[in-house]
Amino acid sequence: AQKVTQAQTEISVVEKEDVTLDCVYETRDTTYYLFWYKQPPSGELVFLIRRNSFDEQNEISGRYSWNFQKSTSSFNFTITASQVVDSAVYFCALSEARAGGTSYGKLTFGQGTILTVHP
Amino acid sequence: NAGVTQTPKFRILKIGQSMTLQCAQDMNHNYMYWYRQDPGMGLKLIYYSVGAGITDKGEVPNGYNVSRSTTEDFPLRLELAAPSQTSVYFCASSRLGRPYEQYFGPGTRLTVT
Repeated sequence: AQKVTQAQTEISVVEKEDVTLDCVYETRDTTYYLFWYKQPPSGELVFLIRRNSFDEQNEISGRYSWNFQKSTSSFNFTITASQVVDSAVYFCALSEARAGGTSYGKLTFGQGTILTVHP
Repeated sequence: NAGVTQTPKFRILKIGQSMTLQCAQDMNHNYMYWYRQDPGMGLKLIYYSVGAGITDKGEVPNGYNVSRSTTEDFPLRLELAAPSQTSVYFCASSRLGRPYEQYFGPGTRLTVT
């Protein structure tokens, strides 16, 4: 069975601080995908990133960066110089990636981390 | 191109009532999904479909039914609403060959009292 754990329920920072959101996962699959989604106060889910299990290269996109470490089953997300608009709930998710597409993309989500950025 | 649409946005049901949550996508996606998000929790998969006429259970299917008569539509049916079904329901879709790129609808907030 797959499991995603986001140990930080809530994080509060002041604008311009850097903040890291932790994500630890469990899976028996050798190939899988990891995701981060943002859910702003309006409620919709915004896709941020997808990572293949065989690609451990870290990724940076503007103020966002992701650190994938297979050895510790972690996929952490860092926001540099946080802004008030970053306030949202952030979800880490996992999907198996079996050959032939038999996993059908079913996502297992973590509990989410509420990030509040104060001005 | 509307993407994934869901209706209604909000609904209050009494215990024992039935209703259908509508989901439609106009991207010709094969795969469609229903998730529920309980307060303070992540999303959990209720049902999914890999094409018209094909559906399967997810992690939390009890109390729900689905059908997929067309590629575009994937309604979720609650037959006897219970307070435990109070949640926000999200529909998502993805295309053949790329099931991991899921596009989510705006959600339906359901309260059962």
